[in-house]
Amino acid sequence: QVQLQESGPGLVKPSQTLSLTCTVSGGSISGGTYYWSWIRQSAGKGLEWIGRVYSSGGTNYNPSLRSRVAISVDTSNNQFFLRLSSVTAADTAVYYCARDVPDVFSYYYGMDVWGQGTTVIVSS
Amino acid sequence: DIVMTQSPDSLGVSLGERATINCKSSQTVLYDSNSKSYLAWYQQKPGQPPKLLIYWASTRESGVPDRFSGSGSGTDFTLTISSLQAEDAAVYFCQQYFDLPPTFGGGTKVEIK
Repeated sequence: QVQLQESGPGLVKPSQTLSLTCTVSGGSISGGTYYWSWIRQSAGKGLEWIGRVYSSGGTNYNPSLRSRVAISVDTSNNQFFLRLSSVTAADTAVYYCARDVPDVFSYYYGMDVWGQGTTVIVSS
Repeated sequence: DIVMTQSPDSLGVSLGERATINCKSSQTVLYDSNSKSYLAWYQQKPGQPPKLLIYWASTRESGVPDRFSGSGSGTDFTLTISSLQAEDAAVYFCQQYFDLPPTFGGGTKVEIK
């Protein structure tokens, strides 16, 4: 079955850019009509959706982060990516990648596959 | 953004007893076109990612035990665990996917009493 795995630096300095990769295995990132999301979880803000990307490269972002976020996809390597610029301590969190699944009505109803998560600490 | 409010923050339930968690959205998450509420429930255990339990407010994801049930429509929803098992100790989140950005409730921690 489809599995997701996040990777990237666990420590990022303030004002720098956080970069994470999610590798999809057990299925093609281009197969089906899935969106691929990034979500983060911190003690202070709970679960927060960051944004999502379609296999064609189309994206949607959380307005609260839109000015600092870029999500992209590499279908040839079955990966998608998160870049979050100008990070501060408030960006310290566990970052998850997940698959958004559509229903028969073509509305997205939830995230049915998640990576294990990767902890990112923002500190000098 | 649609704000999701869960209650209680935590509850202790004895094994075999019923656990009930509530979730309220700040606006409807019901699509008139298909009469479905786009409300999902997730279970999260320590050190693990959230696991999708229920979508459309009341449809169990494949493999989820039938002691888990969801109900509600529009803005008010409930997750019920009919007979609590030890492995059900976890934090439970509701999430709306009616509108972007998808938003989550603050979570309810279920503990064994």
